[in-house]
Amino acid sequence: SQQGEEDPQALSIQEGENATMNCSYKTSINNLQWYRQNSGRGLVHLILIRSNEREKHSGRLRVTLDTSKKSSSLLITASRAADTASYFCATELPGGFKTIFGAGTRLFVKA
Amino acid sequence: ETGVTQTPRHLVMGMTNKKSLKCEQHLGHNAMYWYKQSAKKPLELMFVYNFKEQTENNSVPSRFSPECPNSSHLFLHLHTLQPEDSALYLCASSLVAGGGDRADTQYFGPGTRLTVL
Repeated sequence: SQQGEEDPQALSIQEGENATMNCSYKTSINNLQWYRQNSGRGLVHLILIRSNEREKHSGRLRVTLDTSKKSSSLLITASRAADTASYFCATELPGGFKTIFGAGTRLFVKA
Repeated sequence: ETGVTQTPRHLVMGMTNKKSLKCEQHLGHNAMYWYKQSAKKPLELMFVYNFKEQTENNSVPSRFSPECPNSSHLFLHLHTLQPEDSALYLCASSLVAGGGDRADTQYFGPGTRLTVL
């Protein structure tokens, strides 16, 4: 398996529901970031959580990090159709020159 | 807009052609990155430049040749590509590479969709 793996690969929900995506990784990290990508476009940074942090919030986003389990979750509350996109976790390895992205979770929010 | 631009947005080339992708950032960043995104595969880091010096070459074939003349511009020169090189090529920049936390937050361009015939 890869350094960053998102789960599930795809998620379809109704508008207003919460969406939870998970990311697992294999090695020690400096920080973990979540990015969003609309179809065929560049990635947009959502939130960064440091290895010594356990939870962060930004608007409707909530990210948790469990370094003992080497996993993170991204929760989007009260989802909207505009949240439809692919979501990627990215781990920065110690040394800092390498950020590894997972394969992403494709989220589809139905209006 | 993220402050990172890429040209061209779409490129179709034959296997014997030579072309270049261009990336420019207007954010005052010192680190720039090339990524390859293929269908159903994770984003693959190709090259990292930090203060114009290449700090990472992720075992990329020599038919891809990066150039970073200054901290604001990054090129990817392409020659004798293969059909499997068809992908979305993304450029990103960050304040510095290896600077930790906010310094490493990457800002991505819209990408160049490359098709090799």
